Amino acid sequence: EAGVAQSPRYKIIEKRQSVAFWCNPISGHATLYWYQQILGQGPKLLIQFQNNGVVDDSQLPKDRFSAERLKGVDSTLKIQPAKLEDSAVYLCASSLTGEVYTQYFGPGTRLTVL
Amino acid sequence: TQLLEQSPQFLSIQEGENLTVYCNSSSVFSSLQWYRQEPGEGPVLLVTVVTGGEVKKLKRLTFQFGDARKDSSLHITAAQPGDTGLYLCAGANFGNEKLTFGTGTRLTIIP
Repeated sequence: EAGVAQSPRYKIIEKRQSVAFWCNPISGHATLYWYQQILGQGPKLLIQFQNNGVVDDSQLPKDRFSAERLKGVDSTLKIQPAKLEDSAVYLCASSLTGEVYTQYFGPGTRLTVL
Repeated sequence: TQLLEQSPQFLSIQEGENLTVYCNSSSVFSSLQWYRQEPGEGPVLLVTVVTGGEVKKLKRLTFQFGDARKDSSLHITAAQPGDTGLYLCAGANFGNEKLTFGTGTRLTIIP
């Protein structure tokens, strides 16, 4: 069974530029999560989708971050414009419906904002 | 906001030694999980504990959930270099499908 795929693995941009990350969850997983993990810290949930609907985006900085999951499968997370403090690893995870306790994580995208 | 504090933040020990990592909160959680994350990878689930006082063993790793379901510990016996990584605890509550991650413990086992 293929795991959660993310791309790109690394991205370096300058502040005020835009960036987008892509995530393909495990087949059949209806729930998809985006996390931000600052170096040395635990992941922080940014947004949670159930199929193509948003369940929780309370910690998403909506003035600069956006995410979509149009067909209920792949998802993209966008930052526009990026700030220095956005430098982090962005993790995507997926789970079966109702199984929040069994989330499978992708390898993450390491973003560096200069 | 529920917070999970882990201690120590960093731990470096010799191969063969024993160690314990702690995860504490002022809030009650329905369940608590432990993950290990290696550089360049996402966290990988090690165990889920759901009952206060529950103890689970996974080879050389022993996990305990506090009686009040506010804290947890991870004990590693005879640590090996392969145990090196970032250990994360994460709590969840029934009816709220969201994990709250702890601050992390970075463990280094020196051969």
